[in-house]
Amino acid sequence: EVVLTQSPDTLSLSPGDRATLSCRTSQSVSNNYLAWYQQRPGRALRLLIYGASSRATGIPDRFSGSGSGTDFTLTINRLEPDDFAVYYCQLYSRSTPWTFGLGTKVEIK
Amino acid sequence: EVQLVESGGGLVKPGGSLRLSCRSSGFTFSENYMTWVRQAPGKGLEWVANIETDGSQKGYVDSVKGRFTISRDNAKNLLYLQMNSLRAEDTAVYYCARDWWYSGRYPTLDSWGQGTLVTVSS
Repeated sequence: EVVLTQSPDTLSLSPGDRATLSCRTSQSVSNNYLAWYQQRPGRALRLLIYGASSRATGIPDRFSGSGSGTDFTLTINRLEPDDFAVYYCQLYSRSTPWTFGLGTKVEIK
Repeated sequence: EVQLVESGGGLVKPGGSLRLSCRSSGFTFSENYMTWVRQAPGKGLEWVANIETDGSQKGYVDSVKGRFTISRDNAKNLLYLQMNSLRAEDTAVYYCARDWWYSGRYPTLDSWGQGTLVTVSS
């Protein structure tokens, strides 16, 4: 079973800052089946990035994903108030379809 | 607009049963795999179960195998999760989500409901 390790647990930043979130997988990811999601209180989870680096429909270009193999990054440029949330990386595999990391909370400093 | 609305959560005693429903709209339900994901209080997300378009194939996380059953009614655009022999550790918000393959290549859960809370306690 692949384990996803997200770091840091919490990121304290100010509006306008850049956030860099890490997701490491315990095994190399094939086909870049790595996605990122945003969770805000009272809101439905939101898909941000698929295929490790492609933005989902309607996601602003302040959000970007990168990485391959076992190391992946979500970068959020010019943080806006709505961006303070918890972010999860997720891996798809045929055996265990959906595996999530434990999340990184981006909070206002 | 894709909409998913869960219902059926509540307080139940250990060993009890509950059936969750997820009503879908805004897309052709019968053409999509569907998934249940849960989130225990203060914890991360955990995949629970998923189901193929016609209901013929289903998958479960080990911790719920033999206790939970996922099903669907394509005529009514409804997804279900029958939960039996509930345990305290099943306490969580349960979300339904739509499986979507971007560009036909990249699997995602692109739409989510707001969730329904299940509390298992005596």
